[in-house]
Amino acid sequence: AQSVTQLDSQVPVFEEAPVELRCNYSSSVSVYLFWYVQYPNQGLQLLLKYLSGSTLVESINGFEAEFNKSQTSFHLRKPSVHISDTAEYFCAVSVPSGGYNKLIFGAGTRLAVHP
Amino acid sequence: NAGVTQTPKFQVLKTGQSMTLQCAQDMNHEYMSWYRQDPGMGLRLIHYSVGAGITDQGEVPNGYNVSRSTTEDFPLRLLSAAPSQTSVYFCASKGQGYNEQFFGPGTRLTVL
Repeated sequence: AQSVTQLDSQVPVFEEAPVELRCNYSSSVSVYLFWYVQYPNQGLQLLLKYLSGSTLVESINGFEAEFNKSQTSFHLRKPSVHISDTAEYFCAVSVPSGGYNKLIFGAGTRLAVHP
Repeated sequence: NAGVTQTPKFQVLKTGQSMTLQCAQDMNHEYMSWYRQDPGMGLRLIHYSVGAGITDQGEVPNGYNVSRSTTEDFPLRLLSAAPSQTSVYFCASKGQGYNEQFFGPGTRLTVL
């Protein structure tokens, strides 16, 4: 069975510091990988995705994630965080399932950026 | 486009009451799904639909019913609410051939 593990439930960090949110997955088949962000009292928004091709993917607001097949990881990084990055981040994998690609989510990592 | 809309935003029920959470999308997406979000557990799939008239169970379907009579709408019914169904519920949709799911703003449900 497929699963997603987010290794940190909470990550506190100071503004302008770098951050890494870790995500590992298990799957016996090829998967698509996603990071979603949830700002307080809002729904989920897609941050970035890996479908194929280059293993390093970037978002428009400075986040990047690297797909590492051998380590089955898809860690999210940002070299310098802002207060506005405070949110909960969810890693997810999509696996084929009878024509519908189900999303399996990790438990989430709460990023708290302090001034 | 409004995207994915959900109503109501908040709801309080008593144990045993029934209600329907509404979800609609205006993107002509084939796939729609319902998730519940609980602290420390991420989002878990309740039910999903691959098109009008076709639904299937997800990871945690017990206590919930769905139907899909139109492409646009995918309501979630709680027939007899239980405190264990206190959660935040998200509806999502996805177009065929795309892998990104678009999420609604959520419904926060409390069952007393």
